[in-house]
Amino acid sequence: NAGVTQTPKFRILKIGQSMTLQCTQDMNHNYMYWYRQDPGMGLKLIYYSVGAGITDKGEVPNGYNVSRSTTEDFPLRLELAAPSQTSVYFCASSPKASGANVLTFGAGSRLTVL
Amino acid sequence: DAKTTQPNSMESNEEEPVHLPCNHSTISGTDYIHWYRQLPSQGPEYVIHGLTSNVNNRMASLAIAEDRKSSTLILHRATLRDAAVYYCIGGSARQLTFGSGTQLTVLP
Repeated sequence: NAGVTQTPKFRILKIGQSMTLQCTQDMNHNYMYWYRQDPGMGLKLIYYSVGAGITDKGEVPNGYNVSRSTTEDFPLRLELAAPSQTSVYFCASSPKASGANVLTFGAGSRLTVL
Repeated sequence: DAKTTQPNSMESNEEEPVHLPCNHSTISGTDYIHWYRQLPSQGPEYVIHGLTSNVNNRMASLAIAEDRKSSTLILHRATLRDAAVYYCIGGSARQLTFGSGTQLTVLP
């Protein structure tokens, strides 16, 4: 079982470049999430989606965009990379929530912006 | 989302029980209490969750105070592989907010 798969695992960007972090899950989960984790800190929610075609902002959405065209995929787009976006990014998914909400996380994508 | 408070770090000896506390005084009546842990260089993984009653699974036990303002994650016999950051989270089903967690060190 693959679970939640993120690509790439590592990436270095120059300031102003753009890129897309890919996330796919094979568990038929309705909910998907993007978090970022800065060194020594907890995770902050960037965006989430409750199903195909539906996305919503989390705690720190500025500088990012998302789309959800299928149940399986939830890519995160950085349009103009800035040093402040240097972080580890985690994608997660969960079944349709009814109170309890158990998330399955990917292994993470480490992004450095120079 | 409920604000949670956890100690920054704790230590335990190998094969001894560990009690990780969490305060969540602002949790709403319908929010579950979740615990996740993050091993070094990995994504967080689910440990356990509960609403009002104490819960047990193969990884741990969760003891929830009667007033739901605090809970305790219990690892019955800590192993070196349990060394991780443990996050206590109380929040809505759509948005789970992770604080800084408790760094658990297990001493051999």
